[in-house]
Amino acid sequence: KQEVTQIPAALSVPEGENLVLNCSFTDSAIYNLQWFRQDPGKGLTSLLLIQSSQREQTSGRLNASLDKSSGRSTLYIAASQPGDSATYLCAVSTDKLIFGTGTRLQVFP
Amino acid sequence: DAGVIQSPRHEVTEMGQEVTLRCKPISGHNSLFWYRQTMMRGLELLIYFNNNVPIDDSGMPEDRFSAKMPNASFSTLKIQPSEPRDSAVYFCASSRVMRQGAGEQYFGPGTRLTVT
Repeated sequence: KQEVTQIPAALSVPEGENLVLNCSFTDSAIYNLQWFRQDPGKGLTSLLLIQSSQREQTSGRLNASLDKSSGRSTLYIAASQPGDSATYLCAVSTDKLIFGTGTRLQVFP
Repeated sequence: DAGVIQSPRHEVTEMGQEVTLRCKPISGHNSLFWYRQTMMRGLELLIYFNNNVPIDDSGMPEDRFSAKMPNASFSTLKIQPSEPRDSAVYFCASSRVMRQGAGEQYFGPGTRLTVT
């Protein structure tokens, strides 16, 4: 059974720091991996989708990498801002998405 | 595009009552997903449809839960009878059917259900 774990569970950093959020999964037979952002009381917003054949995807200050063989993905946030404060979830895809437990990020001014 | 639309946004009901949650997916998307989110269990997939057909309902917790998708633009999730442990945020998401794997999913704002 696929299990997805995210470390750390919570993170609090000052503005301007570069961050790395980690995601690990137990079964490497995935089609893709997706990173989402969830603001309090809101739905999820898709940030990046990495196909299993890809190594990384970039969008603005965000960079996500995927190492399928080792069952790991990282989300790198450059020059963090208070507006980045949210919960970040990764999800691995077979025919459906299996979500991780999330990392709650707070960036303070 | 209006995105995925869910109604109601908040629902408070008494134990034993029937609850119906509604979802309108993004036009052109042919996969629809119902999720439940709680502090204890995180985000769980309840059921998903491809082209209006239920594909996997293994996440539906009990027979009290049922979901329908009568057409490409509308789906319902019904709980009858409701219980306090059903209190959670219920999300609907839609995507395009992919040849392999789950496509990029777009989530609605959720329905916060409280059963007293």
